[in-house]
Amino acid sequence: KQEVTQIPAALSVPEGENLVLNCSFTDSAIYNLQWFRQDPGKGLTSLLLIQSSQREQTSGRLNASLDKSSGRSTLYIAASQPGDSATYLCAPRGLGAGSYQLTFGKGTKLSVIP
Amino acid sequence: DGGITQSPKYLFRKEGQNVTLSCEQNLNHDAMYWYRQDPGQGLRLIYYSQIVNDFQKGDIAEGYSVSREKKESFPLTVTSAQKNPTAFYLCASSMRGWGYYGYTFGSGTRLTVV
Repeated sequence: KQEVTQIPAALSVPEGENLVLNCSFTDSAIYNLQWFRQDPGKGLTSLLLIQSSQREQTSGRLNASLDKSSGRSTLYIAASQPGDSATYLCAPRGLGAGSYQLTFGKGTKLSVIP
Repeated sequence: DGGITQSPKYLFRKEGQNVTLSCEQNLNHDAMYWYRQDPGQGLRLIYYSQIVNDFQKGDIAEGYSVSREKKESFPLTVTSAQKNPTAFYLCASSMRGWGYYGYTFGSGTRLTVV
């Protein structure tokens, strides 16, 4: 069964810093991996979807990398802003019988201090 | 704009009462999902449906029921058999087919037992 770990659980940085969020997963047999953002009391907003055949995916100040063989993904946020404060979740999508299911980590809670 | 609508945003349930959470999407997605989110835990899959009139149990289906009579709708009923229903419930959808597509989430329903 897929297990997802996100490190660190919480992170506080001053505005303007570049930062990296880490995600590791135990089963490398995945179709893709999706990064989400969740604001308090809200639903999930998709940030980036990276396919298993891709190494990187970029959107604005965000860059996600994927190393499927080692079971790792990172989310890089450049020039952080207070509006980036939220919980960030990664979710790999499994192959075969589990291909319609995402498995979630517990997330990294990011606080960007003005 | 296309998206997923969950209602109500807040719901209160008395002991022994069944309640139904609504989820509607206008994205023309084939697959729909229900997740439960508890503080300090990752999202857990309750039920999912790949096509109309078909649905499958997820990891924590006990005490819940669903129906999929229309492509656009996937309501979740929390029955009296669910002993600890207080949680944040999230509905999601995706295109069906080989797992290449990402998920879209609704804004959630917060259910509280009173």
